[in-house]
Amino acid sequence: DAGVIQSPRHEVTEMGQEVTLRCKPISGHDYLFWYRQTMMRGLELLIYFNNNVPIDDSGMPEDRFSAKMPNASFSTLKIQPSEPRDSAVYFCASSLGGSGSPLHFGNGTRLTVT
Amino acid sequence: GQNIDQPTEMTATEGAIVQINCTYQTSGFNGLFWYQQHAGEAPTFLSYNVLDGLEEKGRFSSFLSRSKGYSYLLLKELQMKDSASYLCAVAFNDYKLSFGAGTTVTVRA
Repeated sequence: DAGVIQSPRHEVTEMGQEVTLRCKPISGHDYLFWYRQTMMRGLELLIYFNNNVPIDDSGMPEDRFSAKMPNASFSTLKIQPSEPRDSAVYFCASSLGGSGSPLHFGNGTRLTVT
Repeated sequence: GQNIDQPTEMTATEGAIVQINCTYQTSGFNGLFWYQQHAGEAPTFLSYNVLDGLEEKGRFSSFLSRSKGYSYLLLKELQMKDSASYLCAVAFNDYKLSFGAGTTVTVRA
C-alpha cells in the first residue's frame, strides 16, 4: 500500500488567495483526520471524518477553513482567503477506527502564506 | 482541558537509556499512543497502551498507569537515528487523538 498521499508537498501563496490541500487515505480506512502542526501550537486536530461524514469540526479555526470528503478515497481542506497565520504543515491521517487503531500520517503539506 | 504534558527536550549518549514521561488528565481516557517524528517528516506510530503495565517492542517500551494519568516511553541502546521528536497522544472518549507538544531527543556520540 502506498500509504496516505497528500498533495502538494509545498505551497507558497499570497495572502488572500485560496488554497486547496488534497489527501488520499489508505484504502479500507474508515476514518480520516486533518491536523495542523506549528512550532507554537504543536499538532492540532482540525476535523475528522468517519465513512466520509464529518464527525467533529470543532478544531477548524474559523469560517475561512472548510473540508470535504466526497468519497472514500479523497478529501480536501480549503482555506479561503488565506492569511499569513495559516502558515503551517498540514497533515492528513487515516485509520481503521476502533480502539487501538493507530493513525497513519501522510507526508504533509508545508503551507507558506506571504 | 485535555492537558498532555511531556518534557520539551532530552539529551543522551549513544548506547544509553532515556525515559520520556507523559502525564494527562484521566477523565474520558480511551487509550494512549506514542509517535516518533523525525525533523521534516510525518509522525510514525510506535506503541499503544490502554491497560496498565508495560508493552515492549524491541528497544522501545511503553508503560501506562491509568489511575495516575501517567505513561512513559523507554528507549534503550540509543542509536543516532533515534534523534527525533517523540509525541504522546491520548484518545479521550472517542477516536480523535490529542497530542502533547513533543519531546525532542538528541543522541550524542
